Amino acid sequence: NAGVTQTPKFRVLKTGQSMTLLCAQDMNHEYMYWYRQDPGMGLRLIHYSVGEGTTAKGEVPDGYNVSRLKKQNFLLGLESAAPSQTSVYFCASSYSMDNPSYNEQFFGPGTRLTVL
Amino acid sequence: GIQVEQSPPDLILQEGANSTLRCNFSDSVNNLQWFHQNPWGQLINLFYIPSGTKQNGRLSATTVATERYSLLYISSSQTTDSGVYFCAVDFYILTGGGNKLTFGTGTQLKVEL
Repeated sequence: NAGVTQTPKFRVLKTGQSMTLLCAQDMNHEYMYWYRQDPGMGLRLIHYSVGEGTTAKGEVPDGYNVSRLKKQNFLLGLESAAPSQTSVYFCASSYSMDNPSYNEQFFGPGTRLTVL
Repeated sequence: GIQVEQSPPDLILQEGANSTLRCNFSDSVNNLQWFHQNPWGQLINLFYIPSGTKQNGRLSATTVATERYSLLYISSSQTTDSGVYFCAVDFYILTGGGNKLTFGTGTQLKVEL
């Protein structure tokens, strides 16, 4: 049981390049989330998904797109990277229909992205 | 706006000492979680505690939802306890489900020999 995994762990991009971050979970969770963490701060929600084929905007969605084609995967895309997107990105998942009153979020190990 | 405040912002302990970290929040919450972010950046779940008291080894947590605060107790601290401790609260249910965690700014803990 790997929990939540993220690839890649590190990436350096040049301004204007694109990339996709992959998140996978094996806990059969319905909900998945992408957060970013900037130095000295807590995490902020970028986008989230409440089920396969659904996505919605979070607190800081600009410059990012997401897709959830399979229940266990949640992809975060940067179409044209900017230096302001230099950050650590965390994926999380929560909620199983087997235990609907329990909504603890579990986080992946993070992806450290630098945009030059 | 909705606020999550943590205190103290920084804390230095000698190994073996005890400490209490506090999290105040400005509105009613559905859930509350405590995390430890270790020096490698990994977020480790400590407690899922919307109310009441829980204990896990040397750590325990208490949330008093009616008074809008939570406390994390660390006893007999060890150097491996070093890192940042975050409180995160879930104020809303997101559109269609899901819960948005709002994080505090954390308590930076350093445990010295």
